Amino acid sequence: GQQLNQSPQSMFIQEGEDVSMNCTSSSIFNTWLWYKQEPGEGPVLLIALYKAGELTSNGRLTAQFGITRKDSFLNISASIPSDVGIYFCAGPSTQGNLIFGKGTKLSVKP
Amino acid sequence: DSGVTQTPKHLITATGQRVTLRCSPRSGDLSVYWYQQSLDQGLQFLIQYYNGEERAKGNILERFSAQQFPDLHSELNLSSLELGDSALYFCASSQWTSGNNEQFFGPGTRLTVL
Repeated sequence: GQQLNQSPQSMFIQEGEDVSMNCTSSSIFNTWLWYKQEPGEGPVLLIALYKAGELTSNGRLTAQFGITRKDSFLNISASIPSDVGIYFCAGPSTQGNLIFGKGTKLSVKP
Repeated sequence: DSGVTQTPKHLITATGQRVTLRCSPRSGDLSVYWYQQSLDQGLQFLIQYYNGEERAKGNILERFSAQQFPDLHSELNLSSLELGDSALYFCASSQWTSGNNEQFFGPGTRLTVL
């Protein structure tokens, strides 16, 4: 079945550093979504990508839809402590539900 | 605040029992999805309803069932509970229109089965 592979699994960075994470799939997706989940909360939609090659920003977050349509990237610039959380990539299955990657856990040291 | 509400926030029960989780979607969203999140399995899709009708099924156990009511709220029923059913259960909603796959998640219900 469709699977999304996220890397890295976890990151420990210093406040102010830039962060990059990615998501790959063996099959083509026509949409890529990035979510952030904080402890005890539900995933929050950060960015939605609908077009191959698309680059979209949301504040300090920038995400790209890979031109092969099999990958996507999320960058966070100048990280701050409130960026801590787990970042998930997601794409729609053939049924319409979302398939999620395992997540990248981000820790930011002040 | 996503606009999706879920109750209760926490639920502690014993093996063999039955519980009901409730979800109200965002205003205007006709589609509701239920997901289970456990430490080792990540976010797993259980079931989708659209305007009262079941649309898609994922890895939902036969002991679990759901429904969506005319006011569009949804309930997930979990019966004959086992220790392994302990997890976070999330509801998400969307408009489910062509080309729009964005889903908005509620705060979840943490189920603990003792």
